[in-house]
Formats: sequence, structure tokens, C-alpha cells
Amino acid sequence: DVKVTQSSRYLVKRTGEKVFLECVQDMDHENMFWYRQDPGLGLRLIYFSYDVKMKEKGDIPEGYSVSREKKERFSLILESASTNQTSMYLCASSLIDLLLRTDGETDTQYFGPGTRLTVL
Amino acid sequence: AQSVTQLDSQVPVFEEAPVELRCNYSSSVSVYLFWYVQYPNQGLQLLLKYLSGSTLVKGINGFEAEFNKSQTSFHLRKPSVHISDTAEYFCAVRPLLGRLYFGRGTQLTVWP
Repeated sequence: DVKVTQSSRYLVKRTGEKVFLECVQDMDHENMFWYRQDPGLGLRLIYFSYDVKMKEKGDIPEGYSVSREKKERFSLILESASTNQTSMYLCASSLIDLLLRTDGETDTQYFGPGTRLTVL
Repeated sequence: AQSVTQLDSQVPVFEEAPVELRCNYSSSVSVYLFWYVQYPNQGLQLLLKYLSGSTLVKGINGFEAEFNKSQTSFHLRKPSVHISDTAEYFCAVRPLLGRLYFGRGTQLTVWP
């Protein structure tokens, strides 16, 4: 089974702190994603990566950065946390290269359990 | 960008009743369609997906969905729900070349 793990389930930080959220997958997937989940807004893509050291902005990248130094690890960084970044953060990974046309047979995203971040 | 609309944010039903969760999308190109489920305090997991072929897709836990190209819809159904089906359900769309787009979610609550 694919396993996606996130470093913390719950995190409380102060405004202005630098925050690191870590995600690790164990299935050698090329693609990794960071989403933010808020009530009534569903999942919004922050950043994704389709290869080591490669990253692409999603729908709401402002205030965030990412790092992918190794294939299995994808980090989300809040340079200076603000209260409006209080949210649930979900990491996901998938096998298929997004840039190539596929039959979609294995095009499934596998999600971690989420990190609930509170910024005070 | 793709647009995914889940028409109901909350769906309360009694146990053993049928349920339909509605999803519409906007796209001028061919897409893949997905339903994901999120149980309380867990991440999302895939429920079912439409890639091609038969428009009726069966998934886990007795759920099924029907792809209707003319109406650009992918509604999720279950003929008889159980308490354990209480969860949030997300519809998602992916163009053949591109990333996944999620709807805002529908909270299904099953009452005894």
C-alpha cells in the first residue's frame, strides 16, 4: 500500500514564525502536491512538484514556498506565518507524469492524514 | 482552469435511504473524473474514477457514479446508505493534459 505521511497532525505557531510542514511518500511517485482545505472552500492547490527540484505554483501560492530535494520528500514552508494561514494542510502523491498523456489507469492521488495548523 | 461544482454542501439522509451527490464540471476538452471520500480525521481516499468506456462506474463501499457528457455531470449514488458512510465527498476533474481540480465538497450525514 502507498503510504503518505505528514510530520505533524496538529501544529500551533505564532504569527511571524517560519513554519515547515513535511511530507514523505514511500512509493517512488514522481508527483507530489500540497493542498489547503478550508470549510466551504474544498481543496485548493498550493504547489506541486513533478520531479526532484521542480515545482509549479498552484492556485494559491502566495505566502508559501516549497522544497523537493529528494524524490520521497516534499516540504511546505510558511516564511512568516499569518493567522489567515490557519487551516488543514494535505499532502498527496501520484505516479503519473502530469505532462504526459496517459490512460489514467494509475492516475490516483494518495493523501496523507493532514496537518491542522493553527497560527495565533 | 477547470470548474467543478458540487451542488449541495450538506446532504442529510436516514440510514438505508438512497442518496445522490451531484457534481457538474465545465470543460471543453476530454476529462477524467473522480470521487474522493474523506472520513472524519483522515485524509482523502479514492472512491471511484471514470477514465473511458462505460459511463456507469462502480466504486468501493457500494457507490457508483454515472458520467453524462452532454450534461457535463458525474453524480455519485448509493441505493442504501449506512451510518459509516458519513463523510465528506469530493468530486474532482482532470483534463487529459493537466492537473486535478476539486469541488468544494459535500458533507453526507447519515442518521439512524
